Amino acid sequence: DAKTTQPTSMDCAEGRAANLPCNHSTISGNEYVYWYRQIHSQGPQYIIHGLKNNETNEMASLIITEDRKSSTLILPHATLRDTAVYYCIVLPRGGSEKLVFGKGTKLTVNP
Amino acid sequence: NAGVTQTPKFQVLKTGQSMTLQCAQDMNHEYMSWYRQDPGMGLRLIHYSVGAGITDQGEVPNGYNVSRSTTEDFPLRLLSAAPSQTSVYFCASSYDNQETQYFGPGTRLLVL
Repeated sequence: DAKTTQPTSMDCAEGRAANLPCNHSTISGNEYVYWYRQIHSQGPQYIIHGLKNNETNEMASLIITEDRKSSTLILPHATLRDTAVYYCIVLPRGGSEKLVFGKGTKLTVNP
Repeated sequence: NAGVTQTPKFQVLKTGQSMTLQCAQDMNHEYMSWYRQDPGMGLRLIHYSVGAGITDQGEVPNGYNVSRSTTEDFPLRLLSAAPSQTSVYFCASSYDNQETQYFGPGTRLLVL
C-alpha cells in the first residue's frame, strides 16, 4: 500500500505557482520523498526527491516539513504542459526499482 | 541514447494466447522493472531485476514470467492471456537502486 496521501485533483492558472501537497505521516528516518509525474498516459517522469532538506532543480522545488510528515512540490510557473498526474512516493534509499504508486494528484493547468 | 524502448505499442490478444512484451534500454542500467497500470489507477510492480540473471517478484506477479539474459533486455511473457491482464504495461530502468527510474512509453494490451 502507498504510504502517502494526496488530493485527488487540483487546478492552477497558467503562469502561477502550483503547490501540490503530500502527507506521509508514517515516513521512516531512512525514507526519501520522491515525486514523479505522468503526462496523458505516457511513462512516468522523475521530477525531484529529498530526505529532509528542501531541494530545487530545473523542474521544481520540494519543501519537506521539519517533522518530515508532509511535503509540498512547487512548480514555480506552471504551463499547460504541466497538466499531469503527480505522484508522491516514499521509499528507502536503495529501493528505487520498486516504486509504489498511489493514485496521485491530477493537476490541471488552465489558460 | 534511445533510452527505454518498448514493443509493441499496442496489442490485441484472445484469451489463452501467449505473447512477449519487449523492453530494452541502452543506458547500461543494471536495474529494470515492469509495471502495469489499470484505468484510473497508479502503477503496480509486476517483476523486477537487479542485474543479468537475477529477477524477483513484485506486487502482482501472477500470470507473468520474466528473464534477464542480458543487461539491455528485460522481456515480459504472458503464458496464457486473460481479460484481467488488459492494461498498459510500462518498463523502467535505473543505474542502481539509489537512482531514479526512467520509464518507457508503454505497451497497451487488450485481451478479449
